[in-house]
Amino acid sequence: GAVVSQHPSRVICKSGTSVKIECRSLDFQATTMFWYRQFPKKSLMLMATSNEGSKATYEQGVEKDKFLINHASLTLSTLTVTSAHPEDSSFYICSARDVSRDSRGEQYFGPGTRLTVT
Amino acid sequence: AQSVTQPDIHITVSEGASLELRCNYSYGATPYLFWYVQSPGQGLQLLLKYFSGDTLVQGIKGFEAEFKRSQSSFNLRKPSVHWSDAAEYFCAVGAQAGTALIFGKGTTLSVSS
Repeated sequence: GAVVSQHPSRVICKSGTSVKIECRSLDFQATTMFWYRQFPKKSLMLMATSNEGSKATYEQGVEKDKFLINHASLTLSTLTVTSAHPEDSSFYICSARDVSRDSRGEQYFGPGTRLTVT
Repeated sequence: AQSVTQPDIHITVSEGASLELRCNYSYGATPYLFWYVQSPGQGLQLLLKYFSGDTLVQGIKGFEAEFKRSQSSFNLRKPSVHWSDAAEYFCAVGAQAGTALIFGKGTTLSVSS
């Protein structure tokens, strides 16, 4: 149980285009999802917190107009990288909380999406 | 503000030898503590977690960690390392329920034969 999927696992796009990454909780309802970014050989950096039915909360320094997050349902959050540039190339990982399963903060992580912008 | 420090960037251990990865955290109250492992190009796998109670926590793959409040530490240990344990290890701390995790910078574990 508590499986989180991400799609696509890898994506290559041209500079200036937009790309959407999906994060789904497969067997539980996730009222809160988190989006992290990981640079090569670096730690995970929190980008934003996504709550179902409300606007995402972005961390300082993260451009909300560039990284659009939508959490339209209890099982799906999407991250859209708009007007992508090579510096947006990274590994993006989402995580989801299952409040009904654990109220203490454990998150379940997706397998990540490798974005390469050419 | 919360923070997590993993002092060792890279550790090499001989196969069969014991392992200890260090993690120190900064947080005013008792935090929720986690250890994750990540293989190259893969997502995160939870090894173990500490919320409360017994300060020695057992995890998967033979790993354990000990919460020491006096030292603000949550070090990860394994008595005998296998070559398949080579990976990146992340310590993370969470505060209140519902907040995101703060990750350390990670420790790369290499296993020599």
